[in-house]
Amino acid sequence: AQSVTQPDIHITVSEGASLELRCNYSYGATPYLFWYVQSPGQGLQLLLKYFSGDTLVQGIKGFEAEFKRSQSSFNLRKPSVHWSDAAEYFCAAIMDSNYQLIWGAGTKLIIKP
Amino acid sequence: NAGVTQTPKFQVLKTGQSMTLQCAQDMNHEYMSWYRQDPGMGLRLIHYSVGAGITDQGEVPNGYNVSRSTTEDFPLRLLSAAPSQTSVYFCASKRQGRPQETQYFGPGTRLLVL
Repeated sequence: AQSVTQPDIHITVSEGASLELRCNYSYGATPYLFWYVQSPGQGLQLLLKYFSGDTLVQGIKGFEAEFKRSQSSFNLRKPSVHWSDAAEYFCAAIMDSNYQLIWGAGTKLIIKP
Repeated sequence: NAGVTQTPKFQVLKTGQSMTLQCAQDMNHEYMSWYRQDPGMGLRLIHYSVGAGITDQGEVPNGYNVSRSTTEDFPLRLLSAAPSQTSVYFCASKRQGRPQETQYFGPGTRLLVL
């Protein structure tokens, strides 16, 4: 069955440290892939997306993600986190012709001062 | 541009009561959708619409009704609220046609059913 998995429910990172959030998908072809961020009490905002071409995608707020077909992954990275990055991050994918998003369960990012 | 707006922000209902969650967008998007967000479960699609007069069910439609009489508005109706419908509800919209179109979300409605 098609699915999106975010293996980490919570991640704690010190301010200024690097960050990698994991996302894996289950699908026989290349999906359209998205990362969204949800700040506390807010709606979701698109960080970046991948649908073809260069497998390293740049997004807003200094985030990037790399699509790796061999690992069925689309991990989100940031070289140096700021306290304002504390939020919940969702990976999502479109994996069939109805164009509906399938969502991961989310990873909550906690920033240590 | 207000984007996607939702009202109310918070609501408390008693079991069996009905209510309508409002959603509006001013971006002339054809596609609109309703999700519910529950801890540890990500977002689950309730209903969606690809244009005025057209609606379809998502993953978890039971207990919810929708209609789309205009491009701008997409209300979600709970006919007889149940405690299992306690959740945060998000409305979203995007341009229809290409899968890579960005979906824009409203700020959410927190619903508590007692």
